[in-house]
Amino acid sequence: AQRVTQPEKLLSVFKGAPVELKCNYSYSGSPELFWYVQYSRQRLQLLLRHISRESIKGFTADLNKGETSFHLKKPFAQEEDSAMYYCALSDRDDKIIFGKGTRLHILP
Amino acid sequence: DAGVIQSPRHEVTEMGQEVTLRCKPISGHDYLFWYRQTMMRGLELLIYFNNNVPIDDSGMPEDRFSAKMPNASFSTLKIQPSEPRDSAVYFCASRVTGGPGTQYFGPGTRLTVL
Repeated sequence: AQRVTQPEKLLSVFKGAPVELKCNYSYSGSPELFWYVQYSRQRLQLLLRHISRESIKGFTADLNKGETSFHLKKPFAQEEDSAMYYCALSDRDDKIIFGKGTRLHILP
Repeated sequence: DAGVIQSPRHEVTEMGQEVTLRCKPISGHDYLFWYRQTMMRGLELLIYFNNNVPIDDSGMPEDRFSAKMPNASFSTLKIQPSEPRDSAVYFCASRVTGGPGTQYFGPGTRLTVL
């Protein structure tokens, strides 16, 4: 079964420290993976997608097929990074399967 | 473009009442999705449409939930009768063909059933 697992419900990190939000998936085939972010009082929005291999707001994510992971990383956390982060997988049927989300809290 | 529009933004109702949530997708988008967000279960897909046709409603929790898309610019999600466990934030999202991961979300409707 297709599944996205985010093991941490809450992650607290000090400002300036590195951030890693974990995401593991199960999918039979070549997955397309994404990270979505929801800042306080804002809409859920796409942060980045693995096929673009881009860095957005200092965040990167590498698809590791061997470990079936797509962890989100940032070397130095900023206070404005506090938000809810969802890892997501796109299946062949055009829908997205979301993980349960991780709330990132940046401590001053 | 104002993006995906949802109404109402907040709804408080009593158990047993009918609730109707509304969504206007971005013009030109041919996919529309309804999600429910709760602390316990995260973001769950309820149903999605392609060209106004329901494609997958396997996420609809019970027969009390129904969704329609009478035209390309409007969709409703109805709960009848509502129950306290339906309290959640309901999101609508839309996208175009060829962009499966890039969904555009509305602001959500926060539903509270007393």
